[in-house]
Amino acid sequence: KAGVTQTPRYLIKTRGQQVTLSCSPISGHRSVSWYQQTPGQGLQFLFEYFSETQRNKGNFPGRFSGRQFSNSRSEMNVSTLELGDSALYLCASKVGQRERNEQFFGPGTRLTVL
Amino acid sequence: GIQVEQSPPDLILQEGANSTLRCNFSDSVNNLQWFHQNPWGQLINLFYIPSGTKQNGRLSATTVATERYSLLYISSSQTTDSGVYFCAVGSSGAAGNKLTFGGGTRVLVKP
Repeated sequence: KAGVTQTPRYLIKTRGQQVTLSCSPISGHRSVSWYQQTPGQGLQFLFEYFSETQRNKGNFPGRFSGRQFSNSRSEMNVSTLELGDSALYLCASKVGQRERNEQFFGPGTRLTVL
Repeated sequence: GIQVEQSPPDLILQEGANSTLRCNFSDSVNNLQWFHQNPWGQLINLFYIPSGTKQNGRLSATTVATERYSLLYISSSQTTDSGVYFCAVGSSGAAGNKLTFGGGTRVLVKP
């Protein structure tokens, strides 16, 4: 079974631009979560989607948004990029919505904002 | 929210040595996972262990949920064990369905 895939793997943008990242979960997994990893803040939860609905959101500004499609694939969007948005963005999938379900992570998208 | 602390923050080992990494958490959890982050950034699942003990080759893990800690054991370490090890917990309630990560333990295994 294929793992979680993320595209693109690397991205360079300039301040003020917007960016869209994509995540395809493991086949059969219906929950997708997004995390941001930075050297200063570590790994932080962005949001979770299940059945095309956002179920939980972390403490991030409204510039960060996401959505999930009927095939469980998810995208996250960051508008009006700031230098501090430079980070590794990780997507994770799990079978269902329950917190007990084991999460599996994709390879990440490394975003650099210049 | 729930707090997760990992110790030590850094660990330098000689190849062949054994080590123990610790993860303390501040509240009851329904999910606990250990990950190894490879040099390219991907989080590799090591254990899903909200309670009890598991072993996988040279790695083993124990979670004592009632005392709110988990341990990851690395035996006969190899240079390929180098990297950052993360503990992450999931809990129900207001925290919702998310993993809260510890700060990680950076391991360097020297040949």
